[in-house]
Amino acid sequence: AQSVTQLDSHVSVSEGTPVLLRCNYSSSYSPSLFWYVQHPNKGLQLLLKYTSAATLVKGINGFEAEFKKSETSFHLTKPSAHMSDAAEYFCVVSDEWDTGRRALTFGSGTRLQVQP
Amino acid sequence: DGGITQSPKYLFRKEGQNVTLSCEQNLNHDAMYWYRQDPGQGLRLIYYSQIVNDFQKGDIAEGYSVSREKKESFPLTVTSAQKNPTAFYLCASKRGGGATQPQHFGDGTRLSIL
Repeated sequence: AQSVTQLDSHVSVSEGTPVLLRCNYSSSYSPSLFWYVQHPNKGLQLLLKYTSAATLVKGINGFEAEFKKSETSFHLTKPSAHMSDAAEYFCVVSDEWDTGRRALTFGSGTRLQVQP
Repeated sequence: DGGITQSPKYLFRKEGQNVTLSCEQNLNHDAMYWYRQDPGQGLRLIYYSQIVNDFQKGDIAEGYSVSREKKESFPLTVTSAQKNPTAFYLCASKRGGGATQPQHFGDGTRLSIL
């Protein structure tokens, strides 16, 4: 069975400082991992995805994430936060061998606040 | 531009009433999904469909129904049997059944009880 744990429900940073949103996963097989962002009253937008190629994945808007199999982690980072980054972020795992019914498992989300 | 259109953006339901949420995609995606989002929680899968005329229950299907008569459309009906329907509903689609494909989301419908 697969699961996702986002270790912080809220993260607050100052504009211009680094962002770290933490995610640990559990999967029986070789997972695909995604980070999505959600702005208020909007759908989810894909930031980046890991699908067993390079372990350091670059996404949109300056975000990147590193897949660490030994630590079962997929933390999201950004060197310098912008006010527009304030949103909810979801870590998502997809089991390569388990398509269909449980193809995606969502974390509970991390709300990022960016202080001026 | 290709994308997923959900309508209406806001919907109100009276007691005992069924309501239908629309989801249309022009991405030519085979698979479509409905999720429910409650405050402080991740998304929970209601129903999904991998091909036309076929759909499967997700984790919280009770009180909901769907149809998939066309590839582009996957409407969700919230029936009177759903006792706590107030939530944000998100529709998604993806190219195929493979787990490496990301899902693309619409902008959601917020359903409230009158």
